[in-house]
Amino acid sequence: AQSVAQPEDQVNVAEGNPLTVKCTYSVSGNPYLFWYVQYPNRGLQFLLKYITGDNLVKGSYGFEAEFNKSQTSFHLKKPSALVSDSALYFCALPPPNDSWGKLQFGAGTQVVVTP
Amino acid sequence: EPEVTQTPSHQVTQMGQEVILRCVPISNHLYFYWYRQILGQKVEFLVSFYNNEISEKSEIFDDQFSVERPDGSNFTLKIRSTKLEDSAMYFCASDYPGGNQPQHFGDGTRLSIL
Repeated sequence: AQSVAQPEDQVNVAEGNPLTVKCTYSVSGNPYLFWYVQYPNRGLQFLLKYITGDNLVKGSYGFEAEFNKSQTSFHLKKPSALVSDSALYFCALPPPNDSWGKLQFGAGTQVVVTP
Repeated sequence: EPEVTQTPSHQVTQMGQEVILRCVPISNHLYFYWYRQILGQKVEFLVSFYNNEISEKSEIFDDQFSVERPDGSNFTLKIRSTKLEDSAMYFCASDYPGGNQPQHFGDGTRLSIL
């Protein structure tokens, strides 16, 4: 069975500092991976995805993520965090070998960016 | 950009009552989903729907739940006899199989069971 994990419940970072949100996965076959963000009282907004190709994926709002097959990780990064980046971030897996279908979400990581 | 819309944004219901949550998926999408997020917990898959039938459901989606696409635009989730533990945010989502677009989510319905 596949799984996705976000080892940190919360990440605190000062505005202007780099932000990293960790995600690790376990799948058989080729992984497809997504990051979503949830602002208060809103639905999940797509940030970026890894399907195949370049291990560094660029997404919305200045975010990027690095796919690392040997470490089975897909960490979300932003070089310079903004207060407005404070939100709940989810890593997600679609079904094996598919880039669509029901998503399996990690537990979520609350990001708090302080001025 | 097209959006998934959900109504109502907040529903308060007495335990044991039936509730219907409504969603309008993106018009050219073919797969529709319901997810649930209990306060402070992860987002959980409930059910997927394709070609007017359930394609997959989780163990959470028991006999008290049903889904329907009553017309060409709406997608509904019905909970027949609500329980306190059904209190959660319910998210509708849609996507287009095989395409390069991600799954799109609505803003959710907050269901509060009293």
